[in-house]
Amino acid sequence: EVQLVESGGDLVQPGGSLRLSCAVSGFTLSDHYIDWVRQAPGKGLEWVGRTRNKANRYIIDYAASVRGRFTISRDDSKNSLYLQMDSLRTEDTAVYYCAKWQSGAADSWGQGTLVTVSS
Amino acid sequence: DIVMTQSPDSLAVSLGERATFNCKSSQTVLSTSNNQNYLAWYQKKPGQPPKLLIYWASTRESGVPDRFSGSGSGTDFTLTISSLQTEDVAVYYCQQYYSPPLTFGGGTKVEIK
Repeated sequence: EVQLVESGGDLVQPGGSLRLSCAVSGFTLSDHYIDWVRQAPGKGLEWVGRTRNKANRYIIDYAASVRGRFTISRDDSKNSLYLQMDSLRTEDTAVYYCAKWQSGAADSWGQGTLVTVSS
Repeated sequence: DIVMTQSPDSLAVSLGERATFNCKSSQTVLSTSNNQNYLAWYQKKPGQPPKLLIYWASTRESGVPDRFSGSGSGTDFTLTISSLQTEDVAVYYCQQYYSPPLTFGGGTKVEIK
Protein backbone atom coordinates (compact mmCIF):
# COMPACT_ATOMS: atom_id res chain seq x y z
CA GLU A 1 0.00 0.00 0.00
CA VAL A 2 1.32 3.41 -0.96
CA GLN A 3 1.72 5.74 2.01
CA LEU A 4 3.12 9.20 2.52
CA VAL A 5 3.33 10.62 6.02
CA GLU A 6 4.31 14.21 6.69
CA SER A 7 5.74 15.34 10.01
CA GLY A 8 7.52 18.28 11.55
CA GLY A 9 4.79 20.88 11.52
CA ASP A 10 4.87 23.30 14.44
CA LEU A 11 4.37 26.84 15.66
CA VAL A 12 7.32 29.02 14.72
CA GLN A 13 8.04 32.73 14.92
CA PRO A 14 8.41 34.89 11.82
CA GLY A 15 11.94 34.68 10.52
CA GLY A 16 12.39 31.24 11.98
CA SER A 17 13.11 27.88 10.38
CA LEU A 18 11.43 24.50 10.26
CA ARG A 19 12.10 21.22 8.50
CA LEU A 20 9.27 19.03 7.34
CA SER A 21 9.69 15.37 6.53
CA CYS A 22 7.72 13.11 4.26
CA ALA A 23 8.20 9.39 4.91
CA VAL A 24 7.05 7.13 2.10
CA SER A 25 6.38 3.43 1.74
CA GLY A 26 4.83 1.05 -0.75
CA PHE A 27 6.71 2.31 -3.79
CA THR A 28 10.23 2.93 -5.02
CA LEU A 29 10.93 6.55 -4.21
CA SER A 30 13.66 7.02 -6.80
CA ASP A 31 11.18 6.24 -9.59
CA HIS A 32 8.85 9.11 -8.77
CA TYR A 33 8.47 12.85 -8.79
CA ILE A 34 7.33 14.15 -5.41
CA ASP A 35 5.58 17.49 -4.93
CA TRP A 36 5.03 19.69 -1.92
CA VAL A 37 1.67 21.49 -1.92
CA ARG A 38 0.21 23.73 0.77
CA GLN A 39 -3.16 25.15 1.74
CA ALA A 40 -3.38 28.22 3.90
CA PRO A 41 -6.42 28.54 6.18
CA GLY A 42 -9.48 29.40 4.11
CA LYS A 43 -7.45 29.52 0.90
CA GLY A 44 -6.89 27.34 -2.12
CA LEU A 45 -4.17 24.88 -2.99
CA GLU A 46 -0.72 26.26 -3.74
CA TRP A 47 2.09 24.28 -5.33
CA VAL A 48 5.31 24.76 -3.37
CA GLY A 49 7.83 22.73 -5.33
CA ARG A 50 8.92 19.35 -6.57
CA THR A 51 11.80 16.97 -6.85
CA ARG A 52 11.95 14.93 -10.03
CA ASN A 53 12.97 11.29 -10.10
CA LYS A 54 16.34 9.65 -10.58
CA ALA A 55 15.80 9.27 -14.34
CA ASN A 56 15.37 13.05 -14.51
CA ARG A 57 18.40 13.72 -12.37
CA TYR A 58 16.45 14.76 -9.28
CA ILE A 59 15.96 18.26 -10.70
CA ILE A 60 14.10 20.51 -8.26
CA ASP A 61 11.66 23.31 -9.08
CA TYR A 62 10.16 25.88 -6.72
CA ALA A 63 7.27 28.30 -6.69
CA ALA A 64 8.37 31.92 -6.85
CA SER A 65 6.84 32.57 -3.43
CA VAL A 66 9.28 30.22 -1.69
CA ARG A 67 12.32 30.22 -3.99
CA GLY A 68 15.44 31.15 -2.04
CA ARG A 69 13.79 30.44 1.33
CA PHE A 70 12.69 26.81 1.01
CA THR A 71 14.87 23.84 0.05
CA ILE A 72 13.62 20.46 -1.06
CA SER A 73 15.80 17.41 -0.61
CA ARG A 74 15.38 13.67 -0.62
CA ASP A 75 17.11 10.59 0.70
CA ASP A 76 15.93 7.62 -1.31
CA SER A 77 17.85 5.23 0.94
CA LYS A 78 15.69 6.38 3.86
CA ASN A 79 12.51 6.61 1.80
CA SER A 80 12.19 10.21 2.88
CA LEU A 81 11.89 13.69 1.54
CA TYR A 82 12.42 16.98 3.29
CA LEU A 83 11.26 20.56 3.04
CA GLN A 84 13.62 22.95 4.79
CA MET A 85 11.83 26.22 5.37
CA ASP A 86 13.85 29.28 6.34
CA SER A 87 12.97 32.95 6.79
CA LEU A 88 9.40 31.96 7.48
CA ARG A 89 6.64 34.52 7.08
CA THR A 90 3.12 34.64 8.47
CA GLU A 91 1.81 33.94 4.97
CA ASP A 92 3.61 30.56 5.04
CA THR A 93 1.06 29.37 7.61
CA ALA A 94 -0.62 26.38 5.99
CA VAL A 95 -1.12 22.66 5.94
CA TYR A 96 1.73 21.19 3.93
CA TYR A 97 1.23 18.03 1.87
CA CYS A 98 3.65 15.81 0.03
CA ALA A 99 2.31 13.98 -3.01
CA LYS A 100 3.58 11.25 -5.32
CA TRP A 101 3.28 11.63 -9.07
CA GLN A 102 2.22 8.77 -11.31
CA SER A 103 0.97 8.77 -14.89
CA GLY A 104 0.70 12.49 -15.17
CA ALA A 105 -0.73 13.67 -11.86
CA ALA A 106 -0.38 13.49 -8.09
CA ASP A 107 -2.19 10.26 -7.33
CA SER A 108 -1.23 9.71 -3.67
CA TRP A 109 -1.09 12.29 -0.91
CA GLY A 110 -0.15 12.40 2.73
CA GLN A 111 -2.56 13.68 5.37
CA GLY A 112 -0.61 16.90 5.76
CA THR A 113 1.19 18.68 8.58
CA LEU A 114 0.29 22.11 9.95
CA VAL A 115 2.82 24.90 10.01
CA THR A 116 1.86 28.03 11.92
CA VAL A 117 4.04 31.11 11.66
CA SER A 118 3.12 33.59 14.35
CA SER A 119 4.67 35.68 17.08
CA ASP B 1 3.88 31.39 -15.19
CA ILE B 2 0.67 29.81 -16.43
CA VAL B 3 -2.34 31.30 -14.66
CA MET B 4 -5.32 29.01 -14.10
CA THR B 5 -8.74 30.64 -13.75
CA GLN B 6 -11.74 28.64 -12.56
CA SER B 7 -15.38 29.58 -12.84
CA PRO B 8 -17.72 29.89 -11.13
CA ASP B 9 -16.31 30.39 -7.65
CA SER B 10 -19.23 28.42 -6.24
CA LEU B 11 -22.10 26.37 -7.55
CA ALA B 12 -25.28 25.02 -5.93
CA VAL B 13 -26.85 22.04 -7.67
CA SER B 14 -29.79 19.80 -6.76
CA LEU B 15 -29.11 16.17 -5.95
CA GLY B 16 -29.08 14.10 -9.11
CA GLU B 17 -28.58 17.11 -11.34
CA ARG B 18 -25.57 17.91 -13.49
CA ALA B 19 -22.77 20.14 -12.23
CA THR B 20 -20.40 21.72 -14.72
CA PHE B 21 -17.51 24.00 -14.02
CA ASN B 22 -14.69 25.46 -15.98
CA CYS B 23 -10.97 26.01 -15.95
CA LYS B 24 -9.06 28.29 -18.29
CA SER B 25 -5.30 28.51 -18.65
CA SER B 26 -3.45 31.66 -19.69
CA GLN B 27 -1.55 29.67 -22.29
CA THR B 28 -1.91 26.29 -23.88
CA VAL B 29 -1.20 23.19 -21.83
CA LEU B 30 -1.45 20.96 -24.90
CA SER B 31 1.83 19.35 -25.80
CA THR B 32 2.43 18.98 -29.51
CA SER B 33 4.98 16.26 -28.88
CA ASN B 34 2.48 13.78 -27.41
CA ASN B 35 -0.88 15.51 -28.06
CA GLN B 36 -1.68 15.44 -24.36
CA ASN B 37 -3.22 18.17 -22.27
CA TYR B 38 -1.25 18.59 -19.05
CA LEU B 39 -4.30 19.27 -16.91
CA ALA B 40 -5.59 17.51 -13.80
CA TRP B 41 -8.65 17.90 -11.58
CA TYR B 42 -8.65 17.34 -7.82
CA GLN B 43 -11.40 17.16 -5.22
CA LYS B 44 -10.70 18.68 -1.82
CA LYS B 45 -12.82 18.16 1.28
CA PRO B 46 -12.13 19.83 4.64
CA GLY B 47 -9.63 17.94 6.76
CA GLN B 48 -8.71 15.60 3.92
CA PRO B 49 -5.88 15.68 1.38
CA PRO B 50 -6.73 16.42 -2.24
CA LYS B 51 -8.00 13.50 -4.25
CA LEU B 52 -7.06 13.04 -7.89
CA LEU B 53 -10.10 12.72 -10.15
CA ILE B 54 -8.93 13.35 -13.71
CA TYR B 55 -5.53 13.65 -15.43
CA TRP B 56 -4.46 14.32 -18.99
CA ALA B 57 -7.65 16.46 -18.99
CA SER B 58 -9.99 13.52 -19.55
CA THR B 59 -8.53 10.32 -18.08
CA ARG B 60 -10.43 9.24 -15.00
CA GLU B 61 -8.31 8.01 -12.11
CA SER B 62 -8.88 4.41 -11.06
CA GLY B 63 -11.73 4.10 -8.59
CA VAL B 64 -13.27 7.47 -9.41
CA PRO B 65 -17.01 7.14 -10.17
CA ASP B 66 -17.91 7.47 -13.83
CA ARG B 67 -20.23 10.38 -13.07
CA PHE B 68 -17.05 12.48 -13.10
CA SER B 69 -15.75 13.41 -16.54
CA GLY B 70 -13.24 15.88 -17.89
CA SER B 71 -13.10 17.50 -21.30
CA GLY B 72 -11.43 20.30 -23.20
CA SER B 73 -8.14 21.02 -24.88
CA GLY B 74 -5.60 23.76 -25.24
CA THR B 75 -6.68 26.44 -22.81
CA ASP B 76 -10.30 25.61 -21.95
CA PHE B 77 -11.37 22.71 -19.80
CA THR B 78 -14.49 21.44 -18.09
CA LEU B 79 -15.22 19.06 -15.23
CA THR B 80 -18.71 17.58 -15.21
CA ILE B 81 -20.47 15.66 -12.48
CA SER B 82 -23.36 14.03 -14.32
CA SER B 83 -25.55 13.34 -11.29
CA LEU B 84 -24.56 15.15 -8.12
CA GLN B 85 -24.39 13.07 -4.94
CA THR B 86 -24.11 14.28 -1.36
CA GLU B 87 -20.53 13.00 -1.13
CA ASP B 88 -19.54 15.27 -4.02
CA VAL B 89 -19.84 18.39 -1.87
CA ALA B 90 -16.29 19.70 -2.00
CA VAL B 91 -14.01 22.22 -3.64
CA TYR B 92 -12.67 21.25 -7.05
CA TYR B 93 -9.33 22.44 -8.35
CA CYS B 94 -7.72 22.24 -11.74
CA GLN B 95 -3.93 22.15 -12.04
CA GLN B 96 -1.64 22.50 -15.00
CA TYR B 97 1.53 20.47 -15.09
CA TYR B 98 2.67 21.57 -18.53
CA SER B 99 5.53 23.63 -17.13
CA PRO B 100 6.84 24.57 -13.71
CA PRO B 101 5.84 26.29 -11.62
CA LEU B 102 2.83 24.03 -11.57
CA THR B 103 -0.24 26.10 -10.84
CA PHE B 104 -3.71 25.50 -9.45
CA GLY B 105 -6.88 27.34 -10.21
CA GLY B 106 -8.66 29.12 -7.38
CA GLY B 107 -11.20 26.34 -6.99
CA THR B 108 -14.95 25.91 -7.43
CA LYS B 109 -17.02 25.12 -4.35
CA VAL B 110 -19.88 22.73 -5.02
CA GLU B 111 -22.87 22.66 -2.68
CA ILE B 112 -26.29 21.05 -2.63
CA LYS B 113 -29.21 23.29 -3.58
